[in-house]
Amino acid sequence: DTGVSQNPRHKITKRGQNVTFRCDPISEHNRLYWYRQTLGQGPEFLTYFQNEAQLEKSRLLSDRFSAERPKGSFSTLEIQRTEQGDSAMYLCASSSPRGFGANVLTFGAGSRLTVL
Amino acid sequence: GQNIDQPTEMTATEGAIVQINCTYQTSGFNGLFWYQQHAGEAPTFLSYNVLDGLEEKGRFSSFLSRSKGYSYLLLKELQMKDSASYLCAVIGDYKLSFGAGTTVTVRA
Repeated sequence: DTGVSQNPRHKITKRGQNVTFRCDPISEHNRLYWYRQTLGQGPEFLTYFQNEAQLEKSRLLSDRFSAERPKGSFSTLEIQRTEQGDSAMYLCASSSPRGFGANVLTFGAGSRLTVL
Repeated sequence: GQNIDQPTEMTATEGAIVQINCTYQTSGFNGLFWYQQHAGEAPTFLSYNVLDGLEEKGRFSSFLSRSKGYSYLLLKELQMKDSASYLCAVIGDYKLSFGAGTTVTVRA
């Protein structure tokens, strides 16, 4: 297992365009998280899945943002009508279903979005 | 909600010791984490404290006092590769809430 994989690593887009990021978690991990991080700040929680169910969505996530995890494996985060304020690093993390590992999040390398 | 405070920056000399403090106020608490993040990279797990006391792991140690809402991360025998941001995070029911991070710069 190669850990949490995110694609693309970098995305530059023009304001108003739609973008989609993909996250492939560690295979046996049933919990999946999306975070957003801007320069000089810690990661901010966006949303959380347990298997295919989206259990919480932050108020930070406007209606332009949508996340899915259709079969409880990979997840996508789509941003519609991007704005310059959406420029950030989007981090995906996963954790195992039980025991000590249930609370330890393993992060992917992130997808950096730049909106021009 | 969660309120997590840690210093913005710290500088230390190679071979020295640095202590990064973290205070928190949370609506639920199931443990406190420290993550290390090098510039442009993902956060990586360093330590997890659930009970009060000191957890030691090689050159890194983490301390927790739940009654005081306080933790620290102790980095010993600093090396240049320890230059990074150190993130304090608290877990409630299932999600981690992070502080803004402390940037540690190690000088020769």
